[in-house]
Amino acid sequence: GAVVSQHPSRVICKSGTSVKIECRSLDFQATTMFWYRQFPKQSLMLMATSNEGSKATYEQGVEKDKFLINHASLTLSTLTVTSAHPEDSSFYICSARVSGGEWGYTFGSGTRLTVV
Amino acid sequence: AQSVTQLGSHVSVSEGALVLLRCNYSSSVPPYLFWYVQYPNQGLQLLLKYTSAATLVKGINGFEAEFKKSETSFHLTKPSAHMSDAAEYFCAVSGGGANNLFFGTGTRLTVIP
Repeated sequence: GAVVSQHPSRVICKSGTSVKIECRSLDFQATTMFWYRQFPKQSLMLMATSNEGSKATYEQGVEKDKFLINHASLTLSTLTVTSAHPEDSSFYICSARVSGGEWGYTFGSGTRLTVV
Repeated sequence: AQSVTQLGSHVSVSEGALVLLRCNYSSSVPPYLFWYVQYPNQGLQLLLKYTSAATLVKGINGFEAEFKKSETSFHLTKPSAHMSDAAEYFCAVSGGGANNLFFGTGTRLTVIP
């Protein structure tokens, strides 16, 4: 089945630094990818939708200058948290829409970001 | 617009008992409905999905869900709970022109030995 590989699984960074999270589709082309944020014991909140080769569409309230999304190829989307602060600590999950017979949505394994 | 409501943020069952996790949806167009399971610090794994074919959908690990349009429900069931079923379960809906999934708030399932 369609697999999305997300890295890193865990990252600790200092306040003020930037962190990049990568999501790769391993056996299919992901035209559209989604980035979610999940707070402890809460649901997934959609941050943005990225389409290959175009600018990401951000949900209301999500700072696009802080959460930079790049989807330069059909197999790679990245989320960069710029100038990270402790309140950015969270679990970030990417997802890709899968087309064709087994269409649906497949998810990465998530990244636990801790900003100290 | 689409949304889902999961009734019960926590459900506890005894091992071997019936599992019932409730999900009601709202959609202005025929919905596509999904159930996902999430284990701690992991991504989401698809249990099953409804795509307007059979109303009773069978998924992995013995789970199934029935789409009931009259009740706008898509409840998840499993006849006999196993310890390994303890996890967080999310119902989600997609449909219309929206590409993304709309998630419910999740239900944490605890299985008591």
